[in-house]
Amino acid sequence: EAGVAQSPRYKIIEKRQSVAFWCNPISGHATLYWYQQILGQGPKLLIQFQNNGVVDDSQLPKDRFSAERLKGVDSTLKIQPAKLEDSAVYLCASSPMTGGELFFGEGSRLTVL
Amino acid sequence: AQKVTQAQTEISVVEKEDVTLDCVYETRDTTYYLFWYKQPPSGELVFLIRRNSFDEQNEISGRYSWNFQKSTSSFNFTITASQVVDSAVYFCALSESGAQKLVFGQGTRLTINP
Repeated sequence: EAGVAQSPRYKIIEKRQSVAFWCNPISGHATLYWYQQILGQGPKLLIQFQNNGVVDDSQLPKDRFSAERLKGVDSTLKIQPAKLEDSAVYLCASSPMTGGELFFGEGSRLTVL
Repeated sequence: AQKVTQAQTEISVVEKEDVTLDCVYETRDTTYYLFWYKQPPSGELVFLIRRNSFDEQNEISGRYSWNFQKSTSSFNFTITASQVVDSAVYFCALSESGAQKLVFGQGTRLTINP
């Protein structure tokens, strides 16, 4: 079974530029998550989708971050304009059921200069 | 609100020693799930275990064991006879019944020295 796929693995941009990350969850998983992991910290939830609807985006900085999950499968996370403090690993995860384990991708490491 | 605290930021032991990673959680729900994940240097979070709040039975899987105590809101993880390959950052996480999302602790960096 294929795991959660993410791209790109690494991205370096200047502050005020924009960036987009892509995630393809495990087939059949209805729930998709984007987490932000700053160096030395635990992952923090940015947004949670159930199929193509948003369940929780309470910690998403909506002035600069946006995310969508078209057709309830793939998802993209966009940052525009980026700030230095956005430097982090962006982790995508999917889950087939409530309370079940989350399956994580390898993450996309963003460096903002 | 849900919260997970891993008070140990870093632990370093010599190979073959036993080591325990502490996890304390806070929740108002009576139904919840607790997790442990391992994050090796490659960065991917690897699932280790999930427990629901109604199952306080301790679990053993090879060299790994978990002690769940609702009375102290703790879910500690012990590695017996540690090996160098156990070196990683370990995260404890909590999911409340209706929320589905995982709330993670800050993680404990475990280094096993040969």
